[in-house]
Amino acid sequence: DAGVTQSPTHLIKTRGQHVTLRCSPISGHKSVSWYQQVLGQGPQFIFQYYEKEERGRGNFPDRFSARQFPNYSSELNVNALLLGDSALYLCASSFQGPTGELFFGEGSRLTVL
Amino acid sequence: RKEVEQDPGPFNVPEGATVAFNCTYSNSASQSFFWYRQDCRKEPKLLMSVYSSGNEDGRFTAQLNRASQYISLLIRDSKLSDSATYLCVVNTRANNLFFGTGTRLTVIP
Repeated sequence: DAGVTQSPTHLIKTRGQHVTLRCSPISGHKSVSWYQQVLGQGPQFIFQYYEKEERGRGNFPDRFSARQFPNYSSELNVNALLLGDSALYLCASSFQGPTGELFFGEGSRLTVL
Repeated sequence: RKEVEQDPGPFNVPEGATVAFNCTYSNSASQSFFWYRQDCRKEPKLLMSVYSSGNEDGRFTAQLNRASQYISLLIRDSKLSDSATYLCVVNTRANNLFFGTGTRLTVIP
């Protein structure tokens, strides 16, 4: 079975641009969470979706938004990119919601120049 | 105050040593606790859940102290393959999971 898949794996953007990151959860998983990981830090919680509804939001500005589709895949959108948005963006899926075991994708590494 | 705090290390220990990591959390209502392992430039993977009574999985032992709001991870007989970053994870407000900064472990031959 396929694990969590994310795309793109790497991308480079310039300040002010917009980016969309995509995530497909493990088949049967209904919960998707997004995390930002800056080098040398632990993953920071951005959003959590369960059954297509936002169930949690971390301390990130409104430039960050996300949604979950009927097939449980998800998108993370970041507008007006800043240099500080450069990070690894991790998507995690779980079967029973956010407190179950999280299965992470390999991440999308974003560089903002 | 951060939701979850860990000593970032690094911890450099010889093979066969015992090493312990601690982690503190701020929300006394937290119910779920985990240790994740992250290898360099890889995604985090669940190492073990932490139960109230403490639990053991081979060379790994996890403990929870609710009164002091900390969890610990003990690794016995360290192997070279244990070299990684260990992330403390706690569910906090709104039932979402928060990660610590991670503790880096290097096991030296």
